[in-house]
Amino acid sequence: EIVMTQSPATLSVSPGERATLSCRASQSASSNLAWYQQKPGQPPRLLIYGAFTRATGIPARFSGSGSGTEFTLTISSLQSEDSAIYYCQQYNIWPPYTFGQGTKLEIK
Amino acid sequence: DVQLVQSGAEVKKPGESLKLSCKGSGYTFTSYWITWVRQMPGKGLEWMGIIYPGDSGTRYSPSFQGQVTISVDKSINTAYVQWSSLKASDTAVYYCARHRAGSTRPNDASDIWGQGTMVTVSS
Repeated sequence: EIVMTQSPATLSVSPGERATLSCRASQSASSNLAWYQQKPGQPPRLLIYGAFTRATGIPARFSGSGSGTEFTLTISSLQSEDSAIYYCQQYNIWPPYTFGQGTKLEIK
Repeated sequence: DVQLVQSGAEVKKPGESLKLSCKGSGYTFTSYWITWVRQMPGKGLEWMGIIYPGDSGTRYSPSFQGQVTISVDKSINTAYVQWSSLKASDTAVYYCARHRAGSTRPNDASDIWGQGTMVTVSS
């Protein structure tokens, strides 16, 4: 089973600034990596798949990078509505297609 | 619109059985993998298992193997997850989610999610 480790656990950033979230895989996930955003009381929302491809309707301020074992989600020019928990998920080796434990993003 | 609609909240006692449903609409149900995900109160997302409605092929996370059964009824575009004997530790929100691309390949992210079903197991 691939273990996904996200850092930091919590991130506090001011509006308009950039947030950088990290995700590390215990073995190669190739480019089979997704990022999701989850707000309280809502299901997760797909942001990025294939490590760097934005899902339909996702603003350009969300970008993904990385391959293998190191991945990054960057949110440029943060807005108040970006406050959420962000999860990475590998879908390279199954079962299971594991999620990271999440990064909580707070907007100051 | 493409959507997954899940069954309503459940309150059960330990030892009882339960079957949750997830009905797809707006797309070719048999062509897209469906995943089930658990989220315990205040915790993260856990991948439970996956089913391909086209042939009912199913795989489980080792953590959930033998604990739940995932199935599908193609005639009514509905996927299920069921328990034969619930425990208090099964208290959680359960989501179904559809793979982004219609393909027999299982490697994909999930772009359409159900609204979630809250299951409470308490004596």
